[in-house]
Amino acid sequence: DIQLTQSPSFLSASVGDRVTITCRASQGISSYLAWYQQKPGKAPKLLIYAASTLQSGVPSRFSGSGSGTEFTLTISSLQPEDFATYYCQQLNSYPRITFGQGTRLEIK
Amino acid sequence: EVQLVESGGGLIQPGGSLRLSCAASGFTVSSNYMSWVRQAPGKGLEWVSVIYSGGSTYYADSVKGRFTISRDNSKNTLYLQMNSLRAEDTAVYYCAREAWEDYVWGSYSWFDPWGQGTLVTVSS
Repeated sequence: DIQLTQSPSFLSASVGDRVTITCRASQGISSYLAWYQQKPGKAPKLLIYAASTLQSGVPSRFSGSGSGTEFTLTISSLQPEDFATYYCQQLNSYPRITFGQGTRLEIK
Repeated sequence: EVQLVESGGGLIQPGGSLRLSCAASGFTVSSNYMSWVRQAPGKGLEWVSVIYSGGSTYYADSVKGRFTISRDNSKNTLYLQMNSLRAEDTAVYYCAREAWEDYVWGSYSWFDPWGQGTLVTVSS
């Protein structure tokens, strides 16, 4: 199975900060990567697919980049509602889809 | 509105069985790839199973031989039959649709929507 490793696992930041989360794949996955945001007690919410395509309705402060084995999710200016856990997901190796371990973003 | 609503979770003893349901609205289950994903308490997301539009099914090694994914086209509902349950199966179970978009250079997919989740607790 393709392993996804997110870094950092925990991030403390302030409103207005620019933050970047990295997702590294154990082998190349082209651009078959999605990013999700999850808040406590809620289902994951799609943010980005195809590594860099912003889902409709998601604020433009979120952006994704990368291909192959290294990907990033960037939030350009943190808002209070952005404090959550973020997961990357690879959809390259069917049917064994895998997720990163998650990055918890907390208020400093 | 495209929506998924799970039901069927609860407290079950080790070795027991449970069937989860996922009712869809706004789209047709049988025309889509549908997955179950679980999340153990305080842990990350784990893909469990998928049923393709053509009917093929696949499972994570951790549940193979114990769980069965299926669908009822007349009810537009996805199911997960869970047998021989273990303590490590305790989790919130989500159903999700795999959506697709075609580009000249390839087809890309993602999970959306997700259901609200249903909690399965395996404990004596």
